[in-house]
Amino acid sequence: AQKITQTQPGMFVQEKEAVTLDCTYDTSDQSYGLFWYKQPSSGEMIFLIYQGSYDEQNATEGRYSLNFQKARKSANLVISASQLGDSAMYFCAMREGGRGADGLTFGKGTHLIIQP
Amino acid sequence: DAGVIQSPRHEVTEMGQEVTLRCKPISGHDYLFWYRQTMMRGLELLIYFNNNVPIDDSGMPEDRFSAKMPNASFSTLKIQPSEPRDSAVYFCASSSDRGLEETQYFGPGTRLLVL
Repeated sequence: AQKITQTQPGMFVQEKEAVTLDCTYDTSDQSYGLFWYKQPSSGEMIFLIYQGSYDEQNATEGRYSLNFQKARKSANLVISASQLGDSAMYFCAMREGGRGADGLTFGKGTHLIIQP
Repeated sequence: DAGVIQSPRHEVTEMGQEVTLRCKPISGHDYLFWYRQTMMRGLELLIYFNNNVPIDDSGMPEDRFSAKMPNASFSTLKIQPSEPRDSAVYFCASSSDRGLEETQYFGPGTRLLVL
């Protein structure tokens, strides 16, 4: 079974609209971390936001927020007021186990295109 | 502060040649990760180090791949001999588990093409 599932291979969104990118995860660990990265066409991996499994509040970073629903094992990324520069691949990733331990497992990504 | 530095940024080589990819992590980070990105397999972890010691190399594809971290500021990923199926983007990332921050910060990647 996949550990990280991103069900939206591609999305088209009008500029200034809010966007929700879906991510579900599978783990039996109690301690884990969830991450979102952005990969523009230039290829670099840009960290966006992090949510720890014990964090009670949903993480927010500027226009990015993470809708964390632990019981559903869901960690959706919400981008408010989308901009043309938001067009990119978006990857959800999970770190299992204790802090710092182990590498990240990535989903297959969602290709987001913002239209003017 | 400088981020993770990788070199070379692009590498084109012929099958059978040795390839060495280099990485300098963010100063003060004690974890270093090597990932590979391909269209077929996506992003996958190859190996990671903690305090210069390899912790998990289960993602290394085969014996042709080797990685070292001789000191806290330098790591190499070597492929010998290289094959066309090794063509991919190789990312290095680093992190620290001190304080609240545990995010992995990625380098710009090395785009490898094996002909």
